Amino acid sequence: SQQGEEDPQALSIQEGENATMNCSYKTSINNLQWYRQNSGRGLVHLILIRSNEREKHSGRLRVTLDTSKKSSSLLITASRAADTASYFCASLSGGYNKLIFGAGTRLAVHP
Amino acid sequence: EAEVAQSPRYKITEKSQAVAFWCDPISGHATLYWYRQILGQGPELLVQFQDESVVDDSQLPKDRFSAERLKGVDSTLKIQPAELGDSAMYLCASSLAPLGGSIYNEQFFGPGTRLTVL
Repeated sequence: SQQGEEDPQALSIQEGENATMNCSYKTSINNLQWYRQNSGRGLVHLILIRSNEREKHSGRLRVTLDTSKKSSSLLITASRAADTASYFCASLSGGYNKLIFGAGTRLAVHP
Repeated sequence: EAEVAQSPRYKITEKSQAVAFWCDPISGHATLYWYRQILGQGPELLVQFQDESVVDDSQLPKDRFSAERLKGVDSTLKIQPAELGDSAMYLCASSLAPLGGSIYNEQFFGPGTRLTVL
């Protein structure tokens, strides 16, 4: 399989807690992105981090990238029930805008 | 706000039948992608078009799958004959244009077509 790996596969937390998801990829990348997918729906782009960046913030999202370990993490702070979804990392490499997705982390945030 | 349109949203078919999915990308987006997402997994690229030309179909099972984008706008993905293992979500995405190096054009995804093969 071309897909990277994410852990944990599933995460269950209470509202207000932080959620951390990890992603590993296999090849050198141009950038790495995180997407959210609500049950049975399409994917929504959350944040992009370039290969020369180590950390990036967007609202309650914090993404880190370690190219030496071929890994990334997504932190969602002060989680809300509306954050319940599957989260996927996707690595971009090559010249044709090709994304390689991980298997995803299913996040459940309980009120 | 412009969106990628897909139809149908749901399709149930029997194995050995033919099915077709349609995608209308965001206006002006030259690149169109079809992904397959098996339940519990991430999307996997099946085929990528730049305008009307295929630039990557390395993961497309060409014995039964075909895709076209005749006028470089909307696209159709066909499966004939469908097999039980084809049950999945089929996602279409579009972006302005692919560029090399570190320049990236965000991919926008449609809502998907959920296929069930009985």
